Amino acid sequence: DAGITQSPRYKITETGRQVTLMCHQTWSHSYMFWYRQDLGHGLRLIYYSAAADITDKGEVPDGYVVSRSKTENFPLTLESATRSQTSVYFCASTWSPAGVGNNEQFFGPGTRLTVL
Amino acid sequence: KQEVTQIPAALSVPEGENLVLNCSFTDSAIYNLQWFRQDPGKGLTSLLLIQSSQREQTSGRLNASLDKSSGRSTLYIAASQPGDSATYLCAVRPTPYSGAGSYQLTFGKGTKLSVIP
Repeated sequence: DAGITQSPRYKITETGRQVTLMCHQTWSHSYMFWYRQDLGHGLRLIYYSAAADITDKGEVPDGYVVSRSKTENFPLTLESATRSQTSVYFCASTWSPAGVGNNEQFFGPGTRLTVL
Repeated sequence: KQEVTQIPAALSVPEGENLVLNCSFTDSAIYNLQWFRQDPGKGLTSLLLIQSSQREQTSGRLNASLDKSSGRSTLYIAASQPGDSATYLCAVRPTPYSGAGSYQLTFGKGTKLSVIP
């Protein structure tokens, strides 16, 4: 099915462990984003990518690493998970070219991560 | 830095009532504004997107307006139904031609709507 998917949907891990959250989209959108959603803070951008091999930091990038070797995938890695990274993580995508069209962002279903 | 505010944080209305959700933003240099719906434990569903050059957009019982100069947008829901109960989020995108960062959205914290049967 076309769309944007995330895996796993739920994850429980321990402090200090490495965790990778996966995001896959079938639209060939150039731009992809990772957000986290926390009570009291709303949605905040962690990292984004304009194309394969092009990534940049968002508002809250510390403790996270991203890569984008293929257009359709944008994994997010927590190198050494901390309790403060307990959150719901959303992946999103939109198409290019820059400045043309509506560029509506489409969101995945989210991954609920708990760090014990 | 752009800030987006949604007031009220929660709203409860009886079924059938027409209602308005508010969104305000501090920097009027936006390219578009997007309204989303989020059901508990679920992802975000895009409802409407208004370009900065537009005044309003309509989809079914939903109508979104934009007054860029005053930094305000409203989402009007006609004849509300219990199925409309969800959290509604607005998000703004900065103007383009400022690099890849121009695709970043800044979100409000949402209005939680409850429609009582």
